[in-house]
Amino acid sequence: GQQVMQIPQYQHVQEGEDFTTYCNSSTTLSNIQWYKQRPGGHPVFLIQLVKSGEVKKQKRLTFQFGEAKKNSSLHITATQTTDVGTYFCAGGSPGANNLFFGTGTRLTVIP
Amino acid sequence: EAEVAQSPRYKITEKSQAVAFWCDPISGHATLYWYRQILGQGPELLVQFQDESVVDDSQLPKDRFSAERLKGVDSTLKIQPAELGDSAMYLCASSSDRVGSDTQYFGPGTRLTVL
Repeated sequence: GQQVMQIPQYQHVQEGEDFTTYCNSSTTLSNIQWYKQRPGGHPVFLIQLVKSGEVKKQKRLTFQFGEAKKNSSLHITATQTTDVGTYFCAGGSPGANNLFFGTGTRLTVIP
Repeated sequence: EAEVAQSPRYKITEKSQAVAFWCDPISGHATLYWYRQILGQGPELLVQFQDESVVDDSQLPKDRFSAERLKGVDSTLKIQPAELGDSAMYLCASSSDRVGSDTQYFGPGTRLTVL
């Protein structure tokens, strides 16, 4: 079955440092979505990427979708304590109606 | 801003008991999802509804889990009997896009503890 893996599983950074999480799918995706889950909270939608090689930015966050539509990355520039949480990618398969969530990357920002 | 409602927020039960969770999606959202999230892992899809019909329940342990969305609006997820391994967060989400690739809006979840 389809698997979506993320690395790293955990990341501790000093406030102000950059952070990147990588998402890899075993199959080609129709789209990829990114969600953020704060400690004790529920996943909140961040962005959706659909096109091969697509790059989108949200302030300090940069999202990329690979050319083969099998991988994606989220990069945060100059992390802040408000960035703390677990970041999940979720991939959609062509012709399917659901998402497969990745394993998540838990980010800790040290003030 | 419209939100997905879930109740209860917390549930503690003993094994072999029955439990039920309720979800009210954002008004007008045709697609409703139930996920199980074990601590430290990503959400795992249990069942997906399109209006009142089940689209995908391939990961639902049907010997003990059941889900319904009779009128195509709110939904109930039931576990009977509960087992220790069922302890997890149960998340409900909804989306408006029938293809299912649109944004999913999650509710606050029900945290289940089975003793």
